[in-house]
Amino acid sequence: DSGVTQTPKHLITATGQRVTLRCSPRSGDLSVYWYQQSLDQGLQFLIQYYNGEERAKGNILERFSAQQFPDLHSELNLSSLELGDSALYFCASSVDVNTEAFFGQGTRLTVV
Amino acid sequence: DQQVKQNSPSLSVQEGRISILNCDYTNSMFDYFLWYKKYPAEGPTFLISISSIKDKNEDGRFTVFLNKSAKHLSLHIVPSQPGDSAVYFCAASNSNTPLVFGKGTRLSVIA
Repeated sequence: DSGVTQTPKHLITATGQRVTLRCSPRSGDLSVYWYQQSLDQGLQFLIQYYNGEERAKGNILERFSAQQFPDLHSELNLSSLELGDSALYFCASSVDVNTEAFFGQGTRLTVV
Repeated sequence: DQQVKQNSPSLSVQEGRISILNCDYTNSMFDYFLWYKKYPAEGPTFLISISSIKDKNEDGRFTVFLNKSAKHLSLHIVPSQPGDSAVYFCAASNSNTPLVFGKGTRLSVIA
């Protein structure tokens, strides 16, 4: 158990809908990252928050947004969903930048 | 542009032998390198890391080697065990760049 909790584990939704993925980081970790893993692809970095502030942005679509709350949990919002958004979405946390990150179990999103 | 490359999608090794997984990077600003292991339906698990000020780091059966001039790192697993069968991801970062991952190498350890 990495200490990073993601909910829900599975999500099935229709095209055009909006979903929210939730992440609770390890106790004491200030940095939260979101990654997307599509079929046969590596882990694509989406966005990073550090202590409530956006720290870095990767290949995140404009339809996607995220935030980190004062209690350090984070949410990833995906809207106007398309079939191609079907993927595994991972959250990770770390104490600081440039240190090892610990991953949650992921949320498998299926858009039908 | 892929900054971290794992050119071998898969590797098969006999139990008890050495497994060597390779990774190349293009960004010379990376100064921290990690290996993760991933089983199906689970999140990646941190295995071992190395800072750019070192060229070797060892943890039990796992050793990571870093060759900065070649922009290359490798993970050695000795001896390999069937439970090591998984997908291994190489990752790199610096203080301004979150972890950038390679596409992974699927290791199969055959009993």
